[in-house]
Amino acid sequence: DAKTTQPPSMDCAEGRAANLPCNHSTISGNEYVYWYRQIHSQGPQYIIHGLKNNETNEMASLIITEDRKSSTLILPHATLRDTAVYYCIVMFSGGYNKLIFGAGTRLAVHP
Amino acid sequence: EPEVTQTPSHQVTQMGQEVILRCVPISNHLYFYWYRQILGQKVEFLVSFYNNEISEKSEIFDDQFSVERPDGSNFTLKIRSTKLEDSAMYFCASSEQGVGNSPLHFGNGTRLTVT
Repeated sequence: DAKTTQPPSMDCAEGRAANLPCNHSTISGNEYVYWYRQIHSQGPQYIIHGLKNNETNEMASLIITEDRKSSTLILPHATLRDTAVYYCIVMFSGGYNKLIFGAGTRLAVHP
Repeated sequence: EPEVTQTPSHQVTQMGQEVILRCVPISNHLYFYWYRQILGQKVEFLVSFYNNEISEKSEIFDDQFSVERPDGSNFTLKIRSTKLEDSAMYFCASSEQGVGNSPLHFGNGTRLTVT
């Protein structure tokens, strides 16, 4: 699976959009980009995933560049409860796979 | 919304003792996983389980560890003879079609403290 690079930490003001970047320059054509988050030692939580088109769900939006070498997770109106470690993971689709977590980005949302 | 449940939330045991961590995955899920997180460190993959057998395990998952799905609902992790370095949060997870095809749903973990 391709390696990802994320900033170790970011800040965001409550109510503003949080834009979390991820670089995955060695991604191959059939690898997906997944985002999970972990709120203060709870179990990780799935957010969103995509292949090449931008994706949106009730939690977030995922913007993938045309060359697929980077992506951005957008939390449109961050709240204090969005304070968490956010993980960008690149992997092939398929059932026999495992999620490997890196260090992620620690997002702090402040009032 | 269905969720993965883990018991107990906190387990304290003495070094050398056996522990069993229990998980009830989401009912229609077919793929099951255990992860652990030592305090302040990354979430680490331990083992994946499908069709009543281990599909993959990490280097951490040595002979001291075993998993079992004893009935249609429970999924357990056994540590045969605990060591101090086994102290960690242990997360169970399940997936309907495998992690590459459908999201992984995690429980809120069991905090294992080995003294």
